[in-house]
Amino acid sequence: EPEVTQTPSHQVTQMGQEVILRCVPISNHLYFYWYRQILGQKVEFLVSFYNNEISEKSEIFDDQFSVERPDGSNFTLKIRSTKLEDSAMYFCASRFGGRSNYGYTFGSGTRLTVV
Amino acid sequence: RKEVEQDPGPFNVPEGATVAFNCTYSNSASQSFFWYRQDCRKEPKLLMSVYSSGNEDGRFTAQLNRASQYISLLIRDSKLSDSATYLCVVNGNQFYFGTGTSLTVIP
Repeated sequence: EPEVTQTPSHQVTQMGQEVILRCVPISNHLYFYWYRQILGQKVEFLVSFYNNEISEKSEIFDDQFSVERPDGSNFTLKIRSTKLEDSAMYFCASRFGGRSNYGYTFGSGTRLTVV
Repeated sequence: RKEVEQDPGPFNVPEGATVAFNCTYSNSASQSFFWYRQDCRKEPKLLMSVYSSGNEDGRFTAQLNRASQYISLLIRDSKLSDSATYLCVVNGNQFYFGTGTSLTVIP
């Protein structure tokens, strides 16, 4: 079964440092997403990406965040200057269709710990 | 008002029991609905889509009530392996997740 792959599985970083979280979506999927889940809380939308540009973003996705699809297969989330409150599980997801009954396929996540 | 609301539980049920979860959503223009399952510290995994006419997949039955804006998930003959958090997901402009309902099936 096709998978969404995320690396690394766990990243520890010092406050103020930049981190890049990497994702390889399923190859024929067209829509890409980043979500995060703070421990014990619900899954929160960060950003959606289609046709090489951001299609929607949430209030959480401020100027410290950026996304890129540099080479047609990788999809990255960059946090420029990490804060303690950025500590969370970050999930990448992809889907084939847009507004349809296609569900997301999630990657296994990157656990980001900011110290 | 939250986009998606779920009873967080926890639900503790014996093996073999039938358990039902409900979820309400606020946006009447929502277009598609899903139940996801999330195990502790793992990614959400799609359990089933929810169709207007209701749908069944083995022991799992999903229902949608557009008039009342709620969806439900029924699990029959609960197994120990059903223990997880069940997330209600509603697709409007993006996917909105409920906080999840925790289920523990007890031997």
